[in-house]
Amino acid sequence: DAGITQSPRHKVTETGTPVTLRCHQTENHRYMYWYRQDPGHGLRLIHYSYGVKDTDKGEVSDGYSVSRSKTEDFLLTLESATSSQTSVYFCAISAREGLNSEQFFGPGTRLTVL
Amino acid sequence: KQEVTQIPAALSVPEGENLVLNCSFTDSAIYNLQWFRQDPGKGLTSLLLIQSSQREQTSGRLNASLDKSSGRSTLYIAASQPGDSATYLCAVRAQKLVFGQGTRLTINP
Repeated sequence: DAGITQSPRHKVTETGTPVTLRCHQTENHRYMYWYRQDPGHGLRLIHYSYGVKDTDKGEVSDGYSVSRSKTEDFLLTLESATSSQTSVYFCAISAREGLNSEQFFGPGTRLTVL
Repeated sequence: KQEVTQIPAALSVPEGENLVLNCSFTDSAIYNLQWFRQDPGKGLTSLLLIQSSQREQTSGRLNASLDKSSGRSTLYIAASQPGDSATYLCAVRAQKLVFGQGTRLTINP
């Protein structure tokens, strides 16, 4: 298994509170991604990083911010959580983009916003 | 915009059968295609990666094919086992990875 951990694995929070999810990798891969998975929508990209302090938006980035201060850590922050952000969040890593760009996924964080 | 479709959404077969899962995509300008397995409540496990220049990849009882010109890929599972029960996802890589909705496979003992 790729060395990816996510914390917390489960979280219940209330609307309006800030939430930070952490992804940690031991593979020293350059690229890191945050996805959310919802019934009927599949997996959708929220944000990604192509290096330390280098991040960009994905398909569903509104309401989310990210930070990457170290190669191994990629943080996803919900500044003010809403019920529509109840989802399962997956972190993924890749050694490269384009050709040979196999992605490996973490175990996921189940977030419930009440 | 790239769209990825997996049909059927669910499939149930008896143990021992060979089976094929289908994946189609609308834009053939891809770098590669990746098949994943997802068990309930778990993350995604990468099964096979096929580069755009390749026609197929094999891993154990799994064989994935790619026909880029027609926008299709298949995942062939030989001699299915109850442990193969899971949701299988395909994803194509162009600018980013775009996922299908998956096929939920049940292998009945």
